[in-house]
Amino acid sequence: SQWGEENLQALSIQEGEDVTMNCSYKTYTTVVQWYRQKSGKGPAQLILIRSNEREKRSGRLRATLDTSSQSSSLSITGTLATDTAVYFCATATNYNQGKLIFGQGTKLSIKP
Amino acid sequence: EAAVTQSPRNKVAVTGGKVTLSCNQTNNHNNMYWYRQDTGHGLRLIHYSYGAGSTEKGDIPDGYKASRPSQENFSLILELATPSQTSVYFCASGDGWGGAGQLYFGEGSKLTVL
Repeated sequence: SQWGEENLQALSIQEGEDVTMNCSYKTYTTVVQWYRQKSGKGPAQLILIRSNEREKRSGRLRATLDTSSQSSSLSITGTLATDTAVYFCATATNYNQGKLIFGQGTKLSIKP
Repeated sequence: EAAVTQSPRNKVAVTGGKVTLSCNQTNNHNNMYWYRQDTGHGLRLIHYSYGAGSTEKGDIPDGYKASRPSQENFSLILELATPSQTSVYFCASGDGWGGAGQLYFGEGSKLTVL
């Protein structure tokens, strides 16, 4: 597997709290993408961060990438009930012919 | 807005039957993908395509075939469906290389094989 065991998680927090989800990977990657999947829907991209970037922000979202420890994180500040979803990280390399490989995801539940 | 449409959205099939899942994209993306999603496994890549006429094996291709007759259409074919293929299947399109681009997903096709 490309992924560390800690990638399969479930988190439940109160609305308004901040949350950080982690993702570790075993093989070299050039890109990490974060996706969100709401119940009954397909995944939708949130952020793409490249191996030469340490951090990227988009609104309430912040992604980090540490290539030395082969890990990435996604933080959400001021969570809303609508942030309830499964969050996936996905990696790709120059060597896997364009394939994007997904981790198992983190199920995030926001209590109103 | 990028659009990927899957059909059927729900399908019940019998063991040994043939199932075809269809996907249409209006994004004019070169790359298209079929993933399956099962609890505890996340999204796993079955087949993908770089353009019309091409298909490539993903990580779990056994028991599946794929067909890309045009830029817009990509089908997943189960010639002899088995209960282990009961799952939710997602089609996606994208135009990046090496994961550099965003994938746009359809809403999924739920397949139950009895």
